[in-house]
Amino acid sequence: EPEVTQTPSHQVTQMGQEVILRCVPISNHLYFYWYRQILGQKVEFLVSFYNNEISEKSEIFDDQFSVERPDGSNFTLKIRSTKLEDSAMYFCASSGGQGGQETQYFGPGTRLLVL
Amino acid sequence: AQSVTQPDIHITVSEGASLELRCNYSYGATPYLFWYVQSPGQGLQLLLKYFSGDTLVQGIKGFEAEFKRSQSSFNLRKPSVHWSDAAEYFCAVVSGGYNKLIFGAGTRLAVHP
Repeated sequence: EPEVTQTPSHQVTQMGQEVILRCVPISNHLYFYWYRQILGQKVEFLVSFYNNEISEKSEIFDDQFSVERPDGSNFTLKIRSTKLEDSAMYFCASSGGQGGQETQYFGPGTRLLVL
Repeated sequence: AQSVTQPDIHITVSEGASLELRCNYSYGATPYLFWYVQSPGQGLQLLLKYFSGDTLVQGIKGFEAEFKRSQSSFNLRKPSVHWSDAAEYFCAVVSGGYNKLIFGAGTRLAVHP
């Protein structure tokens, strides 16, 4: 069964460093998402992406964040200058259609720790 | 604004017992509702979803959920819990034209042998 994959599974970085989290969505999907879950808190929406541009972003997704689909398979989230509060589990998701009933398929997540 | 409330942070049940996990939503129109499960070290896996039609929805792993508009609820049920059901369960509602998911805080389920 097709699945969303994410790399790395864990990343430790120093505050102020740039990180890139990578995702390979399901191959025929067109809609892509990033969510994050700070330890002990809710899963929160960060950004949605379609047709090579951001469809919607949350207040969390400030200028330090960017997303890109550099080729036909990868979908990346870049944090330009990490802060301690960026420590969280980051989930990538993809869906095949735009309807509200479309299932978003989630990857296993990348646990980011900022020291 | 749309929101999802899962009143129970932790629930413990005995193996073989029935289970009901509560979910209440706040949404003006007919909601698109989802239940996801997260096992340790795993991503979020869809259990079931509701978007129209029959208000009792069947999902994977023997789970079902009932949409009750009058109570703004979408509770998840299973008649007989297995030890492998121990996980965290998230209720979510779709919000906006670009289908972002709004999640509840999650309910962590423990299963005693």
